[in-house]
Amino acid sequence: QVQLVESGGGVVQPGGSRRLSCAASGFKFSYYGMHWARQAPGKGLEWVAFIRQDGSDQYYADSVRGRFTISRDNSKNTVSLQMNSLGPDDTAAYYCARDQNSGYYNPDFWGQGTQVTVSS
Amino acid sequence: DIQMTQSPSSLSASVGDRVTFTCRASQNIINYLNWYQHKPGTAPKLLIYAASSLQRGVPSRVSGSGSGTDFTLTISSLQPEDFATYYCLQTYSTPYTFGQGTKLEI
Repeated sequence: QVQLVESGGGVVQPGGSRRLSCAASGFKFSYYGMHWARQAPGKGLEWVAFIRQDGSDQYYADSVRGRFTISRDNSKNTVSLQMNSLGPDDTAAYYCARDQNSGYYNPDFWGQGTQVTVSS
Repeated sequence: DIQMTQSPSSLSASVGDRVTFTCRASQNIINYLNWYQHKPGTAPKLLIYAASSLQRGVPSRVSGSGSGTDFTLTISSLQPEDFATYYCLQTYSTPYTFGQGTKLEI
């Protein structure tokens, strides 16, 4: 079955960097685009980034563009999110999700999330 | 960016009730509208994609409708496992955007 497992969360100082990874299994990873989304404490879901199947294009939320970079390694079935210049507003549970490949660019299966806390 | 507005922000209901959630887009998104259910500490679950297509494995008491700017999610007979927060997500243009959510409470 489809499994997505995020890792790399933890406590980061303001202005610091963190790299999140998501290990995928149970499907042909190279056939699917991948998303990252997040949920800050007490807030709703926020879409963060998307990368196409072959990594040719990446798209970002306004709040992270220029600071975050999404990438993938199809040989290792992983998608990553490099986060730089982190601030308190980046504190959140971060989720990776598979694109459904329906033509509607919607995430279908999601991981359980990894927590990032930005604090001194 | 496209803004998504959900109403109401919270809703109280009972098992067996029929409930409807509304999502409005700030511009025409055709049918690039998806609905998710989210419970604390768990992975969000896709319910409806393309405004009205039921995701595999989701019970038929869940349905979606709408096009353009106005969309609805309906649960015809609430079950105990349905109490959660529901989000709409537009994927018509990037940056993709969620509504603020509707919390369904007993």
